Amino acid sequence: EIVLTQSPGTLSLSPGERATLSCRASQSVSSSYLAWYQQKPGQAPRLLIYGASSRATGIPDRFSGSGSGTDFTLTISRLEPEDFAVYYCQQYGSSPTTFGQGTKVEIK
Amino acid sequence: QVQLVQSGAEVKKPGSSVKVSCKASGGTFSSYTISWVRQAPGQGLEWMGRIIPILGIANYAQKFQGRVTITADKSTSTAYMELSSLRSEDTAVYYCASQTARCGTSCMYNWFDPWGQGTLVTVSS
Repeated sequence: EIVLTQSPGTLSLSPGERATLSCRASQSVSSSYLAWYQQKPGQAPRLLIYGASSRATGIPDRFSGSGSGTDFTLTISRLEPEDFAVYYCQQYGSSPTTFGQGTKVEIK
Repeated sequence: QVQLVQSGAEVKKPGSSVKVSCKASGGTFSSYTISWVRQAPGQGLEWMGRIIPILGIANYAQKFQGRVTITADKSTSTAYMELSSLRSEDTAVYYCASQTARCGTSCMYNWFDPWGQGTLVTVSS
């Protein structure tokens, strides 16, 4: 199965700053079948990005995804207070689908 | 847009079984798949298996084969996940989530959206 490794484990930033999160796959993710989720404490994950770069319905344009092959990035252009959360990547190009271990974006 | 509502928290003894439900509303139940994903305390997300209600076919992650059973009742638009031989390591929040499919000679499944609110299952003696 494809192993997804997210880095860094924790990102300490201030509101208004730019966040860059990485997701690296152990083998190529076919057709950029990669998604990103945001999870806040006590809540279910929320879909942000699918197909590596397509924003889900209702997701603000400060969230963007990029990458292909084995290297993918989620960028939050200017952090808002509600963006401090844990972010997960998921590949769905190969079975079984797998998730990264998460990156926590915390307030500095 | 479909909404998924799960059953409430459970406390179970080691060796017993738990059955969690996930009721869909606002969409056509048979037109999508329902997966189950779990999250142990402070840990990441782990896919357990899915069911295709229109076909009644389930497939499971290898780790859970033989211990998990996923079913669906089309008449009530409800999916179920039953996990048996519970141990303390099964303490987790269990989520149901919907996926669309892309099919050629076989089907592959896409991102998870939406998700249920989660059900905490605690396994403790």
